[in-house]
Amino acid sequence: SYELTQPPSVSVSPGQTATITCSGDEFPRRFAHWYQQKPGQAPILLIYQNFERPAWIPERFSGSSSGTTVTLTITGVQAEDEADYYCQSGDSSGTFVFGSGTKVTVL
Amino acid sequence: QVRLQESGPRLLKPSETLSLTCTVSGDSISSDYWSWIRQPPGKGLEWIGYVYSSGNTNYNPSLNSRVTISVDTSKNQFSLRLTSLTAADTAIYYCARMNSGGFNPWGQGALVTVSS
Repeated sequence: SYELTQPPSVSVSPGQTATITCSGDEFPRRFAHWYQQKPGQAPILLIYQNFERPAWIPERFSGSSSGTTVTLTITGVQAEDEADYYCQSGDSSGTFVFGSGTKVTVL
Repeated sequence: QVRLQESGPRLLKPSETLSLTCTVSGDSISSDYWSWIRQPPGKGLEWIGYVYSSGNTNYNPSLNSRVTISVDTSKNQFSLRLTSLTAADTAIYYCARMNSGGFNPWGQGALVTVSS
């Protein structure tokens, strides 16, 4: 089955930049989307189609793609950004998969 | 603003069947795809499957033999049925709208516990 690989955790100081990678064999043929999930809450869409940002998402969140890796970048991390982050994509059979998730800790 | 709300029994026994309904408000269900996703306590997200308003479906191969997702456009609802439950099916079950822009929005989630 198709898998997306993320680092389990990322630690960053306030004001610094956090980078979360997601690797998958179907990139760049397939889009990637990113979700943020805070404790006790449902996930929310953060970035769609690799780098598009919904209107309600702060500009400090951005997405990029290079080869078989997509990346979520948080520029100027704030304490409220402490959360789990998941990448998500699909494969040629029309099924969908999530990465294992990355826990971002703000030091 | 589109809102989704899961409903259904929250405590089930092994071998029983899970039945959840997602009620969509603020938009017609007769567009886009509608999906179920689950998350075991303390673990990651797992896509279960989707239904289109026409009734077309696609499921996670790992659950394909046990899952059915259906849609009722007259009630603006779609439903999940998962048979032969075990403790491993204990999870928060989310419904979400799905299109080329990912899963958005999500319902608040329903914790379903499978225990004897």
